[in-house]
Amino acid sequence: AQKVTQAQTEISVVEKEDVTLDCVYETRDTTYYLFWYKQPPSGELVFLIRRNSFDEQNEISGRYSWNFQKSTSSFNFTITASQVVDSAVYFCALSEERGSTLGRLYFGRGTQLTVWP
Amino acid sequence: ETGVTQTPRHLVMGMTNKKSLKCEQHLGHNAMYWYKQSAKKPLELMFVYSLEERVENNSVPSRFSPECPNSSHLFLHLHTLQPEDSALYLCASSQVEGGHEQFFGPGTRLTVL
Repeated sequence: AQKVTQAQTEISVVEKEDVTLDCVYETRDTTYYLFWYKQPPSGELVFLIRRNSFDEQNEISGRYSWNFQKSTSSFNFTITASQVVDSAVYFCALSEERGSTLGRLYFGRGTQLTVWP
Repeated sequence: ETGVTQTPRHLVMGMTNKKSLKCEQHLGHNAMYWYKQSAKKPLELMFVYSLEERVENNSVPSRFSPECPNSSHLFLHLHTLQPEDSALYLCASSQVEGGHEQFFGPGTRLTVL
């Protein structure tokens, strides 16, 4: 079974629209960590955020915000007032405290976001 | 200074060639990883090294041979590759303890003719 599911394969929006990228995870560990990465066309995965399972507080960083809900096993990512530079593939990932080998990350399949001018 | 560097950035090789990919991290991490990213496929974890020991090998064909001479350097030796091995190869590093984010290099775009 897939540990991280990103059901949205591709999303297209027009600049200045808000967009939410969904992430649903599955784990039996009580301690785990969730991540979001951005992969622009250049190829490098850029780390965006890390949350641990004991901290359900939502986080905002500029135009980015993250909504962590343990009740639904979701860790969604919202970009407010999207810009063309936000166009990239976004990956959600999970690391388990005990179930994983050495901080192994389980990645979702990614969501391709295209922001049109 | 970039945290994780990879060379070369692009590589074209024939099926009979032998080449090596290099990764170097300047972050003081003690774990390093090789990933393969093919078009339309999810990221595939290939190898994990912790404290210079290989601790995970996810059924990778023997034509891929990793080497980790120290905690800052990681190599991927390639020989007798197939066209389906064409992909983006990403290196990452992190602290080995769970929960730490991995930092990625820019990748090597490999094309096997």
